[in-house]
Amino acid sequence: GAVVSQHPSRVICKSGTSVKIECRSLDFQATTMFWYRQFPKKSLMLMATSNEGSKATYEQGVEKDKFLINHASLTLSTLTVTSAHPEDSSFYICSARDWGTYEQYFGPGTRLTVT
Amino acid sequence: AQKVTQAQTEISVVEKEDVTLDCVYETRDTTYYLFWYKQPPSGELVFLIRRNSFDEQNEISGRYSWNFQKSTSSFNFTITASQVVDSAVYFCALRVFRQGAQKLVFGQGTRLTINP
Repeated sequence: GAVVSQHPSRVICKSGTSVKIECRSLDFQATTMFWYRQFPKKSLMLMATSNEGSKATYEQGVEKDKFLINHASLTLSTLTVTSAHPEDSSFYICSARDWGTYEQYFGPGTRLTVT
Repeated sequence: AQKVTQAQTEISVVEKEDVTLDCVYETRDTTYYLFWYKQPPSGELVFLIRRNSFDEQNEISGRYSWNFQKSTSSFNFTITASQVVDSAVYFCALRVFRQGAQKLVFGQGTRLTINP
């Protein structure tokens, strides 16, 4: 089956630094990828939708300058949390949509802790 | 707007009991997909089922079954003879087909605990 990987799976960073999370579709091409954020014991909240080769579409309330999304190829999207603060600590999950089947597959998630 | 409601925040049952997780959705679109996902403590979402709006047949997969009722906008999930390994958070989700609005909308999730 289709696999989506995320790297790193866990990251701890200091306040004020930036951290990049990679999302890769391993055996299919994804023209569209999605980034979700999940707080403890809460649901997944869509942050942004990224389309390969164009700017990401951010959901209301998500700061695009803080959460930089790049979707430079059909198999890779990155989320960079800039100038991270403790309140950015969360579980970030990416999802990739197969351009051929339109099925959406989820990555294993990245747990970010900002100290 | 699309909305998914999982009214049961937490459910706790004893192993071997049957348990039903409720899901009610709202959409004005006539074409849509409904999903159920399982999220174990590891955090990774596990796909369980997808059902399109034109297929109201109930589905059974082993101990899992799903009841789709368009008349009540519900897509409930039943686990028969529950096991401890079924303990997880379960999410119901909706996706419509309108161009430019192809995103998944998740319910709040139901935390299911199966006690030995």
